[in-house]
This record gives sequence, C-alpha cells and structure tokens, in this order.
Amino acid sequence: DAGITQSPRYKITETGRQVTLMCHQTWSHSYMFWYRQDLGHGLRLIYYSAAADITDKGEVPDGYVVSRSKTENFPLTLESATRSQTSVYFCASMRTSGLTDTQYFGPGTRLTVL
Amino acid sequence: SQQGEEDPQALSIQEGENATMNCSYKTSINNLQWYRQNSGRGLVHLILIRSNEREKHSGRLRVTLDTSKKSSSLLITASRAADTASYFCATVGGNTGKLIFGQGTTLQVKP
Repeated sequence: DAGITQSPRYKITETGRQVTLMCHQTWSHSYMFWYRQDLGHGLRLIYYSAAADITDKGEVPDGYVVSRSKTENFPLTLESATRSQTSVYFCASMRTSGLTDTQYFGPGTRLTVL
Repeated sequence: SQQGEEDPQALSIQEGENATMNCSYKTSINNLQWYRQNSGRGLVHLILIRSNEREKHSGRLRVTLDTSKKSSSLLITASRAADTASYFCATVGGNTGKLIFGQGTTLQVKP
C-alpha cells in the first residue's frame, strides 16, 4: 500500500526549461492538491482538483499547469521554469470535502531552478 | 495570503515539559486542523476540530478552539525528543476542502 508518492524527489533544472512533477495516490481519493513550501510563506496552494478532469486555481497558480486525466494521478508542470519557482512541492489527496476529511501528503519534491 | 498566524514561531523546551502553540485566523471556518512536519518530510495530520467544538483530545494532544476570538491552541503534554518538528495549523472554509496554512511553529524538544 504505497499511499501517495511523488517523483522525482529532487530535481535541478535550468531557467526556461519545462519540468513536470508527478503525484500518484492509490486510495482513489477524489481530491488532490499541489502546494509549494517556501521559507517565510508556509505552504501555499497552487492548484487543486475535485475529481478527474476538474481542476481549479489556488493561491499561486501563475507559471504552473495541471491536468487530471485519471483519478490517481495529478501532474504539475512548470512550462518555463523560473528561479522564483525554486521550492519544495507537496502533493496531497483527500477522500472527499466532508467536514471531517483530512489531507494526506506526499514526501515532497525539492526543485532547484538555476 | 495566510489565513493562520502562529505563535510562537519557534519554541525550545526540555523533554517532559508541555508545549503550547497558538494559531489565529481571519475568516469563518468549517474546521481547523493541526499538522506536523518532520524535517525533510511531508505533513502528517494530527487532529481536527470542528467549528462547533471547543476542545478535543488525542493522546498527548489537546486542541482548543475559540471561534469568537478566531484562535486555536495546540498543547503537547509530556513532550518527547521525537516531538521535535514543525507544527502547522490549517483552516477549512466552504466546501472545496482547501486548506489555508499558517506559517508554522518550530518545536525543539531537548533530551
């Protein structure tokens, strides 16, 4: 039972390159989320998805693209990476949006943009 | 913008002591959750308190919620070195399930 996994765990890329961060969950949770964590800002929501083919912007969506063709996968793409996108990225999933549902987080991807 | 603001930003105590962290938020909520993050790891859910609840316990954790003051506190009793981590409060409003996180409290428990 893998739960929620992210790949790669570490990535170094250059400014202007396209990068895709993968997220996979084995629970068939409806909701999935992408956050970035930066010193001084805590965790900020980039995009989220309520179900396959349904996505919506979070607090900081600019420069990112998501898709959700299958319930279990929620890739995050940086179309043209910038240094300001250097961060730790966390994916999370949640069964439903019920009042007592909680999120389960992946281990994170540390991205460095040179 | 951050919904939750946590206080203190950093806390250092001796093993066996109690640790108290506070969280304030700005808008109405459905529930408030506390998460723990060990260094280099993802977040782990600790406890959830609904907006109509005032206090909740889970093992050595005690959470209070005061909706009139828009604040919550997390108490860890009889702390252990393994409790060393960052602790985040997060609020949920509406029915989207989106969490809005505070910036966290870094707790160090010295053996």
